[in-house]
Amino acid sequence: GAGVSQSPSNKVTEKGKDVELRCDPISGHTALYWYRQRLGQGLEFLIYFQGNSAPDKSGLPSDRFSAERTGESVSTLTIQRTQQEDSAVYLCASSPRGIGEKLFFGSGTQLSVL
Amino acid sequence: GQQLNQSPQSMFIQEGEDVSMNCTSSSIFNTWLWYKQDPGEGPVLLIALYKAGELTSNGRLTAQFGITRKDSFLNISASIPSDVGIYFCAGQIAGANSKLTFGKGITLSVRP
Repeated sequence: GAGVSQSPSNKVTEKGKDVELRCDPISGHTALYWYRQRLGQGLEFLIYFQGNSAPDKSGLPSDRFSAERTGESVSTLTIQRTQQEDSAVYLCASSPRGIGEKLFFGSGTQLSVL
Repeated sequence: GQQLNQSPQSMFIQEGEDVSMNCTSSSIFNTWLWYKQDPGEGPVLLIALYKAGELTSNGRLTAQFGITRKDSFLNISASIPSDVGIYFCAGQIAGANSKLTFGKGITLSVRP
């Protein structure tokens, strides 16, 4: 597609449930990032995929969070046993090569944990 | 890790005014990027800077890569209501697999 696509755009879940968020990057972009943005806050780095290199998971806040990426395409961010503090917008971004390159963001998934 | 400082957290200006935003760091960056985020959307790239001293314009926006490589500023001239949003700076240091670091953003409000 023309831009980074994220789904769903909104997700409401109950505390304790697992959720999966999906990101389709721009075709040909080798680098993919996940960020979390709490209401009124900045962007909190979660995880970074670059080509076939091992992902940089240094931003994942707990072992309830994990992400996968299939080759240089779709990525899913999984949050297990969701907590209310997980409520936030989860943004995905991709870039052509990663280093020194501009990021292009999706519109995000608004996650609400009740 | 590297930190980018943006302040104040919020700015309020009158339509037609110019506004300047600064982004500073204690680390040296090789790339500076400025993004704008509208409500309910992801950030959109405004200007990218790759060289110390570089001054780049995009319409009413002008950004500069500081000579020390530790700061950057963004100017918006003759502000209009649609300039409202959150403005993020982002920087990238040299080195393999170096990822972008984002500032906390400045929320700009424009009074008509």
